[in-house]
Parts: sequence; C-alpha cells; structure tokens
Amino acid sequence: SQKIEQNSEALNIQEGKTATLTCNYTNYSPAYLQWYRQDPGRGPVFLLLIRENEKEKRKERLKVTFDTTLKQSLFHITASQPADSATYLCAPRAAGNKLTFGGGTRVLVKP
Amino acid sequence: DVKVTQSSRYLVKRTGEKVFLECVQDMDHENMFWYRQDPGLGLRLIYFSYDVKMKEKGDIPEGYSVSREKKERFSLILESASTNQTSMYLCASSLSQGATGELFFGEGSRLTVL
Repeated sequence: SQKIEQNSEALNIQEGKTATLTCNYTNYSPAYLQWYRQDPGRGPVFLLLIRENEKEKRKERLKVTFDTTLKQSLFHITASQPADSATYLCAPRAAGNKLTFGGGTRVLVKP
Repeated sequence: DVKVTQSSRYLVKRTGEKVFLECVQDMDHENMFWYRQDPGLGLRLIYFSYDVKMKEKGDIPEGYSVSREKKERFSLILESASTNQTSMYLCASSLSQGATGELFFGEGSRLTVL
C-alpha cells in the first residue's frame, strides 16, 4: 500500500539556522508533491508544489527538492524565524489520484 | 481569497446521535473533501466529491456519509456517532483535477463524542 513517512519527532532549531524536513514515500510514483503548513487548531495552508520533472523549487526562504529515484522530498526553511514554528505536511499526489498526506513534522524555532 | 467555512468549530455530542458537519466554499471549486485528523495518524480522507451529487469513498468512509446537493456545499454526516469518531474534521476544496490540486482548507471542526 502507499505509504508516506515524515519525521514524527519535533525539530528544534535555533533562529537563523536552516531547518530541513524529510518526506519519503513508497509504492507509488507521484506526478507532483505539495507541502503545507499547519498551525495549532487551524487548517493546513498550501506552501509549495513541485512536479516530478522539477529538481528544486523556491519561494522566499523556502526550498523544496524532489528526488524521484530516492522517492524523497526535502523541505528547507532558511534563516528560520520563530514565526516559522508550525507543523509541516507533505502530500505526494499521483496523477488522477486523491491527495494523501504524511503525518507532519513539527518545527520549533527558538529565539 | 478563497474561503472555506465550516459551520461549527467545536461540537460535543452523545453516542448514538446523528451529527451534521457543514462546509461551504465561495470560489466555485469543483472538488470538495472531508478529512479527519488524529494525533499520530495524520490527515485521513473520509469522502470526496468531484461534482454536485457525486461522491467517492476515501480511505476511511465507514460510519460516515456525505451529501453534495449544491456545488458550494459539502456535508459530512455521522449517522450514529461513536466515541472513536472524536476527532478534528477538516473540509477542503480545490479546482478541477486538471489543475494542480492545491487544497484550501477550512478552520476545522473539533468533535467530541461522549
């Protein structure tokens, strides 16, 4: 069955450093992959999408990579700020299929 | 901006009660979804709909039904609530399948079944 794995342990990081989150998937080949941010008690908010033919995508201080050979996406937050503290969810999507979410990784940026 | 509105942020119901969770979106999106989110289990898809009066089962449809009589409204129904349905319920919408499928979520409805 399709499986999506994100680090379940919280990532504690010092302000100004780069946070790197991992999303691994098995048993399917997503046409693209999305990343969302979720704050406590709120719905997820879309951040970035990367397609299978793209190696890297950037948006402001965010960078996403997509390695279809490793079946992995990395999500980087550079120059992290306390306001970046949240849970980040990855969602690989195969063409025509519904979106499936990973369990999310909580990030805590300390001043 | 796209807005997805869920009718209730917090609900407390008793076992066996019928529960309605309402969701309305204002951007004429074709697709609508209901997820539940539980600690350690992440977001799990209950039901989705690609058009009015259409519905498809997600990964965990048991104990739930849905209704989509109008394009902007997607309702989740718990016919007879049970304690294991205590959860955060999230509604989402997106454009047609031909697009990127970015989901717009509501704020969530936290349901407690006693």
